[in-house]
Amino acid sequence: EDQVTQSPEALRLQEGESSSLNCSYTVSGLRGLFWYRQDPGKGPEFLFTLYSAGEEKEKERLKATLTKKESFLHITAPKPEDSATYLCAVQAGEYGNKLVFGAGTILRVKS
Amino acid sequence: EAGVTQFPSHSVIEKGQTVTLRCDPISGHDNLYWYRRVMGKEIKFLLHFVKESKQDESGMPNNRFLAERTGGTYSTLKVQPAELEDSGVYFCASSQDRVKAFFGQGTRLTVV
Repeated sequence: EDQVTQSPEALRLQEGESSSLNCSYTVSGLRGLFWYRQDPGKGPEFLFTLYSAGEEKEKERLKATLTKKESFLHITAPKPEDSATYLCAVQAGEYGNKLVFGAGTILRVKS
Repeated sequence: EAGVTQFPSHSVIEKGQTVTLRCDPISGHDNLYWYRRVMGKEIKFLLHFVKESKQDESGMPNNRFLAERTGGTYSTLKVQPAELEDSGVYFCASSQDRVKAFFGQGTRLTVV
């Protein structure tokens, strides 16, 4: 069964203090790994898709990387506006039509 | 470009009542998905429409849940009769390519 585990559950950082979020996955044949950002009271907002080990993608202060067993979301010099829940998901299902989500990491950045 | 719209944003109903959630996808997106997050759990897949056809409804919890998509446009998710364990946040998403899904803001359902 496809499974996604995220760690830590919560992370508190000072503004400018870089760190990484982890997403480990178990899936029979990875088709795609997704990172989403979710703000309170809103739906998940797409950030990145990664398809193969060694792939990296960047957007502003965020950089996502992928290995054969896990993905990392690196946050460089975070700002308070980066505070959100970060969700990891893998593409799954017979048709690759659904996402299996992890529980998320709640990030708080203090100024 | 308008995003995925869901309403109501919040619904409180009594156990045994019926509730209908609505989702308007992004115009032109053939793929429409329903997901839900119950308290303390991960977001879980419910079902997938391609245009007006159900492609995959493997995540629907039981026959109290009925989803429809009229003419390949908006979709409704009806819960009848609602039970306490149905409380949670119901998300709708749409996509053009089955890869990049855009989510709505969700409907928070509370069954009391």
